[in-house]
This record gives sequence, C-alpha cells and structure tokens, in this order.
Amino acid sequence: EVQLVESGGGLVQSGRSLRLSCTASGFTFGEYAMSWFRQAPGKGLEWVGVIRSEAYGATTDYAASVKGRFTISRDDSKGIAYLQMNSLKTEDTAVYYCSRGRLDVDCWGQGTLVTVSS
Amino acid sequence: DVVMTQSPLSLPVTLGQPASISCRSSQRLVDSAGNTYLNWFQQRPGQSPRRLIYKVSERDSGVPDRFSGSGSGTDFTLKISRVEAEDVGVYYCMQGTHWPNTFGQGTKLEIK
Repeated sequence: EVQLVESGGGLVQSGRSLRLSCTASGFTFGEYAMSWFRQAPGKGLEWVGVIRSEAYGATTDYAASVKGRFTISRDDSKGIAYLQMNSLKTEDTAVYYCSRGRLDVDCWGQGTLVTVSS
Repeated sequence: DVVMTQSPLSLPVTLGQPASISCRSSQRLVDSAGNTYLNWFQQRPGQSPRRLIYKVSERDSGVPDRFSGSGSGTDFTLKISRVEAEDVGVYYCMQGTHWPNTFGQGTKLEIK
C-alpha cells in the first residue's frame, strides 16, 4: 500500500525556518517526482513545488509565492522528500501535503500543520 | 498561470439524486502529446484530498463507478450519478498540463 507521512510541522515565529519531511513507503520512491501542496485554514489547495526523479536530474520548480525561500530535496536511499522553509511569513500558515507525481499527482499524505506567528 | 473556474461553489443535493460540477480552464489543457492532465479530487471534512479522476475520465482504483469525468479542451465535468452521504465534502479540479499546477476554487457538496 502506498503511504506518505508528513512530519515536522509546528508553531514558528515569522522570519524563522522549518523543515518538513515526507516519508514514503509502498512504492519505488526513486522512480517518482514528489510534489508539495498547502492549504491555508478554510481555504483551497495551492501547489508549492515539485522535485523530479533523479532520472530527470532531480530538478525543482516552485510557486512564485515561495521561490527563493523554500527548497525541496530528496533522499532516495531513505525514501524521504524534504521541504526546507526559510524566512517564513504569516501567510505561509497552512497544512502542508506531500504527494506522489507531478502532472497526475495521485496519493497524498495526511498533512502537517505549519503555523507562523508574528 | 492557467485559471481554473468551478461552478457551482455550493451544491446542495438530495440523497440518491445526481450531481454535476463544472470546471473551466483559461487555456486548453491538451499537451503536445495529446494528453490532458485534468484531475478531480475529493476532500472530505478533516481529511486530505483523494484523487477520484485523472486524465479527464480515468477513475482511480477503489472509486465508486457513480463518479465519472468528462470534457475536453477547456470544459470539464465531474458527475455523481446518485449522491450518497459519504460524498459530502469539497471537490477540486486541478490541471497539470501547464506549469504551475493550478486548482479550481472548490465546490462544497452537502446533503439537502
């Protein structure tokens, strides 16, 4: 069974950093791109960024709202994708989800809540 | 960015009755290879999104056959043939053809 488990969320002050992890199981992690999305409280879904598989150079793309502040990486030996979030702003407060894929994202994790206080 | 517009945003439905959600994109969603990356997600209260439909009309494993997707170009539809209580939640369309992935605003389905 495919499983994605996010961790690392919490309460952080504006301007600080946080690193989220997405631990995958049930599939060959290295063969897939991994995407991050977020959902602010009571709002809709927003794409954050993606990291392609090593076969595609593990290249990354980011939403304009986080570019230059967030970095996605992956450790295929551990089956983990990371979302490093720097210079956090109050508007980054959201549940963050990782998911498998890029164009056709299929499985999603349960999400981890990030709250940025001023 | 491609703008995805869903309607209606609120959808009260009687149990056993059909429901339909429209999703329109600001650009055609077919890529150069002829693929159309239009997905539908269901988000039940307090849960993470679950994909129901991919590539316009392909149903995910385990998704009841009362859910169906259709459309082409810029106009897409999710239909539920007979709404059940477990269908309550918010439904989102998402396009993956053009960078970046973008979502519709969501349609909240509730039981009348």
